[in-house]
Amino acid sequence: EIVLTQSPATLSLSPGERATLSCRASQSVSSYLAWYQQKPGQAPRVLIYDASNRATGIPARFSGSGSGTDFTLTISSLEPEDFAVYYCQQRSNGFTFGPGTKVDIK
Amino acid sequence: EVQLVESGGGLVQPGGSLRLSCAASGVTFSRHWMSWVRQAPGKGLEWVANIKPDGSEKYYVDSVKGRFTISRDNAKNSLYLQMNSLRAEDTAVYYCVRQTEAFDFWGQGTMVIVSS
Repeated sequence: EIVLTQSPATLSLSPGERATLSCRASQSVSSYLAWYQQKPGQAPRVLIYDASNRATGIPARFSGSGSGTDFTLTISSLEPEDFAVYYCQQRSNGFTFGPGTKVDIK
Repeated sequence: EVQLVESGGGLVQPGGSLRLSCAASGVTFSRHWMSWVRQAPGKGLEWVANIKPDGSEKYYVDSVKGRFTISRDNAKNSLYLQMNSLRAEDTAVYYCVRQTEAFDFWGQGTMVIVSS
């Protein structure tokens, strides 16, 4: 099983700041990595697929990068609605999710 | 607009059974792989099972193999999850999800509680 590790567990930032979230895989997943945002009481929504492709309707402030085992989700300037939990997920071998990074208001 | 609406959740005793349903609309259901993903209270996401568009291939996470069965009825635009021999650790919100290059459309989820 491919294990995904996310860091940090919590990121405390202010609106307007840049957020950088990390996801590391226990073995290469090529570019088969997606990012999701989840707000309390809501289903997750996909932000990025295949490491760097923004999903339909996702604002340009969200960007993804990386390949192999190391990936990054960047939010260039946090909006109030961006404070949420973010998960990475691989589809290279089965499907697994990372434990999540909570982005909260500083 | 794509809509996935789950139903069938509830409270069940350990060892019991439950059948979840998912009704799809606004999407060509028969063309897509579909998955169930669950989330235990306060915890992260776990993929449970998926099924090929024609139903000929099914895959499961190890922890549910032999206990859960995924199925679909393309004529009814519906996805199902038959859950048998339920355990406390199966307690979670279960999401019906369309699977493409990612899990791109999610239902609102249905809660399953396994408790005596």
